Order: sequence, then structure tokens, then C-alpha cells
Amino acid sequence: GNSVTQMEGPVTLSEEAFLTINCTYTATGYPSLFWYVQYPGEGLQLLLKATKADDKGSNKGFEATYRKETTSFHLEKGSVQVSDSAVYFCALSSGSARQLTFGSGTQLTVLP
Amino acid sequence: KAGVTQTPRYLIKTRGQQVTLSCSPISGHRSVSWYQQTPGQGLQFLFEYFSETQRNKGNFPGRFSGRQFSNSRSEMNVSTLELGDSALYLCASSLGTSGKTDTQYFGPGTRLTVL
Repeated sequence: GNSVTQMEGPVTLSEEAFLTINCTYTATGYPSLFWYVQYPGEGLQLLLKATKADDKGSNKGFEATYRKETTSFHLEKGSVQVSDSAVYFCALSSGSARQLTFGSGTQLTVLP
Repeated sequence: KAGVTQTPRYLIKTRGQQVTLSCSPISGHRSVSWYQQTPGQGLQFLFEYFSETQRNKGNFPGRFSGRQFSNSRSEMNVSTLELGDSALYLCASSLGTSGKTDTQYFGPGTRLTVL
């Protein structure tokens, strides 16, 4: 079956530090990959996505590249801000099923 | 374009009661999916509706059910509530196409507390 593994949290960084959150997946076929972000007390917001190998998704300074050879979709940002503090979820959808399979989430706290 | 809306935002119920949650998708979206989020189990897929038909179902007991109306609005119902049903219930809508670009957009969720 499908599965997503995210790096364990929580992650605490200082403002302007470099961020990497690792995500690897197992899936049948060629999945679409997503990063969602959840701010306290809110639902999930789509951050970025990629639908085929070597695609790079990007949004608000965040980037992730779909690596088929390593089955990875790591999230990166060059300079984090306090406002980036949230929980980040890696997810995939595969085949004809539209359901999303999520990782366990990574709590990010950015200190001023 | 308005986003996905969910009502109510918060609910408190007691064990044994039933509850109905509502979701209005983004205009033009025909697929609605429901997810349960708990600290212990994370985000789990409940079911998906498209054109008033359940198209996909997760591994939840029959106490969890849903439906979709002709205007694509969806409701989910949980009967005979248990303490373990306390969770954030998230609704997501998408166009519902078969292509890989179909993307789900989430509502703010309904926080259900079972006492």
C-alpha cells in the first residue's frame, strides 16, 4: 500500500535559518506529491505540489523536487520567518484513488 | 472564489449521541472528501463523494457515513458516538477529474469533542 514517512519533529530554528524537512514515500505507480501546512487552529493549506519525476514545486519561498530514484520529496526554504511556524504535512495520491495518504506531520517553530 | 466552508466549527456531544457535519465545496468542484485528524492516528481518509455517489471509502466502521447533494455540498454523520471519535474532521474539495493534477483544497475543519 501507499505510505509517507516524514522526519521526526519538532524542529526549532532561528529566523533566517535554512529549513529542510525530509519526506520519503512508497506508492504503486507514479503518485502526485504534495506539501500541506497547518497553522494553529486551522485546516490544511496547500503549499506546493509536483505531479511527475523531476518536477519542482515552489510557493512562498518553499521548494520541493520530486525525486523518483530516491522516492523523496524534501521540503526546503532558504530563510525561514517566525510566520512559518506551523505543522507541515507531506502527502501523496496515487492511481485512480483520489484519497491522500499523509505523513505524520512535522512541527516547525521559528524563533526570532 | 470562496474556499471550502465547514459548519459548525466546534461541537460538543456526549457518548451515544449522533452528529452531522456539513461541508460546502469550492464553486465548480464536484468531489468532496472527508478526513479525520487525531493526535494519535494523524490524518486518515474517511470517504470521497462525487456526483452524489460514494466513490471511495477508508477503513472506518459503519457508524461513519456521508452523503452528497446535487449542489455538491456534503454531510457526514457519525452515529453512536464514542470517546475516540473526538477529532478534527476536515473536508476537502477538488474538481474530481481523473488527471494527476486534481488537487484537494481543505476547509477549516470541525472540532468534535465527545464527553
